[in-house]
Amino acid sequence: GQNIDQPTEMTATEGAIVQINCTYQTSGFNGLFWYQQHAGEAPTFLSYNVLDGLEEKGRFSSFLSRSKGYSYLLLKELQMKDSASYLCAVRGAGGSYIPTFGRGTSLIVHP
Amino acid sequence: EAQVTQNPRYLITVTGKKLTVTCSQNMNHEYMSWYRQDPGLGLRQIYYSMNVEVTDKGDVPEGYKVSRKEKRNFPLILESPSPNQTSLYFCASGYPLDTGELFFGEGSRLTVL
Repeated sequence: GQNIDQPTEMTATEGAIVQINCTYQTSGFNGLFWYQQHAGEAPTFLSYNVLDGLEEKGRFSSFLSRSKGYSYLLLKELQMKDSASYLCAVRGAGGSYIPTFGRGTSLIVHP
Repeated sequence: EAQVTQNPRYLITVTGKKLTVTCSQNMNHEYMSWYRQDPGLGLRQIYYSMNVEVTDKGDVPEGYKVSRKEKRNFPLILESPSPNQTSLYFCASGYPLDTGELFFGEGSRLTVL
């Protein structure tokens, strides 16, 4: 099975940088995903990492270290609209290739 | 517009009264899935389907049924709802064997009294 751990809640200031960590233990590994979910809305896809390193997409970047079972989502130049829950999901190898979601990190951005 | 559509969006029902939440996608995805989301527990998978007529249990299948008779539709059936099934439900579709990106419906908030 898979075990995914991420902080429950984080706060940050508008314009700042925040890093949301995700650690995982999984039997096999076949990709890590980050999703954003605003309150009461559907999750939306942010990023996908399958190899070690940093993937940058505008203000958002995602990093993966497979040997450490570790990923982070980096949000730069924070805006109020970035207040949301950020879900880390891991896909194991073999079987159904279905990703398992962590419990999510609620990010609060204040002025 | 590419989308996943769920109905109803909101429903209040009583214990034991059978209900169905419909899910339809127009992206020709083979994979579809149902999740429930509860405070502090995150997204938990109920059932998923890799293709027409192929369904499998997720992590929390008890009390639910699904069917996949057509590629675009994946209804979730609660034969005898109970209060512990009060939750926010999401349907999703995508290509799990490729990038793994999932497209979610807007959610169905179900309350069982």
